[in-house]
Amino acid sequence: GDSVTQMEGPVTLSEEAFLTINCTYTATGYPSLFWYVQYPGEGLQLLLKATKADDKGSNKGFEATYRKETTSFHLEKGSVQVSDSAVYFCALISNTNAGKSTFGDGTTLTVKP
Amino acid sequence: DTEVTQTPKHLVMGMTNKKSLKCEQHMGHRAMYWYKQKAKKPPELMFVYSYEKLSINESVPSRFSPECPNSSLLNLHLHALQPEDSALYLCASSQLGGYTFGSGTRLTVV
Repeated sequence: GDSVTQMEGPVTLSEEAFLTINCTYTATGYPSLFWYVQYPGEGLQLLLKATKADDKGSNKGFEATYRKETTSFHLEKGSVQVSDSAVYFCALISNTNAGKSTFGDGTTLTVKP
Repeated sequence: DTEVTQTPKHLVMGMTNKKSLKCEQHMGHRAMYWYKQKAKKPPELMFVYSYEKLSINESVPSRFSPECPNSSLLNLHLHALQPEDSALYLCASSQLGGYTFGSGTRLTVV
């Protein structure tokens, strides 16, 4: 079946540091890939997405590139802010799984001033 | 309107109570979902509605009963819940991939 593996957290960074959160996946067919962010006490928000190989999703300074050869979709940001502190979930939707999303376990990011 | 609205935001109920969670979206999305999320865990799919018909039930206990009165509304009826059902319940909708989530209902069963 489909699966998503995220780097284990928590991740703690200083403000303006570079962020990478690794995400790799296993899926049949050609999945679409997503990053969601969840701030404390909130629901999940779609951060960015990519629907085919070599696509780059970007939003709010975050980027991720769909790498089919390495089955990866790593999240990056050049300079994090305290307000980026949240839980980040990598997810996929495979066209062979009735359109259901498969989520990674989430990575908690804390940014300190 | 690009939001999914869930009410109530917080709910405390006894094990003999009956309550309902509500979800509304006006984006014209034809797929709607209920998820359950425990602390520090990813969301777990409960139900999927597609074009107002139940298409997926992930073996959820019958004390949870979903309902889709129309294309904009989704309800989750709760009855005789257990303390382990305490969680954040999230509604989501989608069209062409990627979900829009509501802020959730924080449910506590006492």
